Amino acid sequence: KQEVTQIPAALSVPEGENLVLNCSFTDSAIYNLQWFRQDPGKGLTSLLLIQSSQREQTSGRLNASLDKSSGRSTLYIAASQPGDSATYLCAVSGWGTASKLTFGTGTRLQVTL
Amino acid sequence: DTEVTQTPKHLVMGMTNKKSLKCEQHMGHRAMYWYKQKAKKPPELMFVYSYEKLSINESVPSRFSPECPNSSLLNLHLHALQPEDSALYLCASSAGYNEQFFGPGTRLTVL
Repeated sequence: KQEVTQIPAALSVPEGENLVLNCSFTDSAIYNLQWFRQDPGKGLTSLLLIQSSQREQTSGRLNASLDKSSGRSTLYIAASQPGDSATYLCAVSGWGTASKLTFGTGTRLQVTL
Repeated sequence: DTEVTQTPKHLVMGMTNKKSLKCEQHMGHRAMYWYKQKAKKPPELMFVYSYEKLSINESVPSRFSPECPNSSLLNLHLHALQPEDSALYLCASSAGYNEQFFGPGTRLTVL
């Protein structure tokens, strides 16, 4: 059974810092990995999708990397802003059950002024 | 348009009520999903529809009944719910096994 872990559970940084969020998964036979952000009481916003054959994806200040063999992904946020404050979730899908996402427990990020 | 809409935003119901949640997307996606999310927990998959047919049911109690009337619309019918069913219900859609797009959710409270 796939298990997804995110460390740290919570993180507080001052504005302008670069930061890294971690996601690890136990079964390396993944189809893809998706990073989301969720504001309190809201739905999920898709940030980046990495296919299993890819090593990284970039969107603006965000860069996500994938090391499938070691079961790890990182989300790098450059020059953090208070508007980046949210919970960040990673989710993986597996071969044969590619429509089923298994989510990590999330990292709650607060960017302070 | 990468939007998934959900109605209502909030719903309060008693344990004997019957209500429905509605989800709509116009992205041409043929896969649609229902998730349940409890406070401070990640979303949990409930149902998957692929080409308007139920393809995954994650052993969800029968008091939750999904329906996919057409390729753009997904409903979740609720009947005889329990207080522990109170949660944020999220709908999502995707083009095949690709990026899933989520709606804003319906906050359900069962009294």
